[in-house]
Amino acid sequence: DTEVTQTPKHLVMGMTNKKSLKCEQHMGHRAMYWYKQKAKKPPELMFVYSYEKLSINESVPSRFSPECPNSSLLNLHLHALQPEDSALYLCASTRGGLKEKLFFGSGTQLSVL
Amino acid sequence: KQEVTQIPAALSVPEGENLVLNCSFTDSAIYNLQWFRQDPGKGLTSLLLIQSSQREQTSGRLNASLDKSSGRSTLYIAASQPGDSATYLCAVRRDNYGQNFVFGPGTRLSVLP
Repeated sequence: DTEVTQTPKHLVMGMTNKKSLKCEQHMGHRAMYWYKQKAKKPPELMFVYSYEKLSINESVPSRFSPECPNSSLLNLHLHALQPEDSALYLCASTRGGLKEKLFFGSGTQLSVL
Repeated sequence: KQEVTQIPAALSVPEGENLVLNCSFTDSAIYNLQWFRQDPGKGLTSLLLIQSSQREQTSGRLNASLDKSSGRSTLYIAASQPGDSATYLCAVRRDNYGQNFVFGPGTRLSVLP
């Protein structure tokens, strides 16, 4: 299994809703990432979990709340989002070593109305 | 601060041509450089990973080179096909901030039948 699986693939939510994005990998990877990507722009790092602990938070607003329940699963909880938060949200993982390849999921396309 | 640029921003070629995509980075203190392909609205697919101690990597019709001292990498695509049409991004793994990858803006490639 060499996949990073993200669900849902598409999500439409209102500004008062609470929703969650889910990411799962069964490759034994110990570092997991959330990226945000706007159209025709490169991915921007949001959070990094290393060995299930939050190691990097790139000054992301508190309306985005990450969670790593175990080594295979990464969630991103969304609350009171703004229309400008509409983007493709990408999950990625590596084995954890500094020379390892970065694997991406297929993303969740989020629209905030 | 590490900055990554890619030239050209967009490229359109007829099928069968060989082509070169360029990636430049400002800080040579990197662990590795990875090339990705992204189709519209999809996740990133890893193409090639070059460690800082390596000069090149090959996979099928793709060849990536790395000149760390000059801050440059190239992705060579031989005998291009319409299925190669996508956005190609390079990303460097920073030496002093090991968990983070810095992405270039990408080159949008169109291969015309």
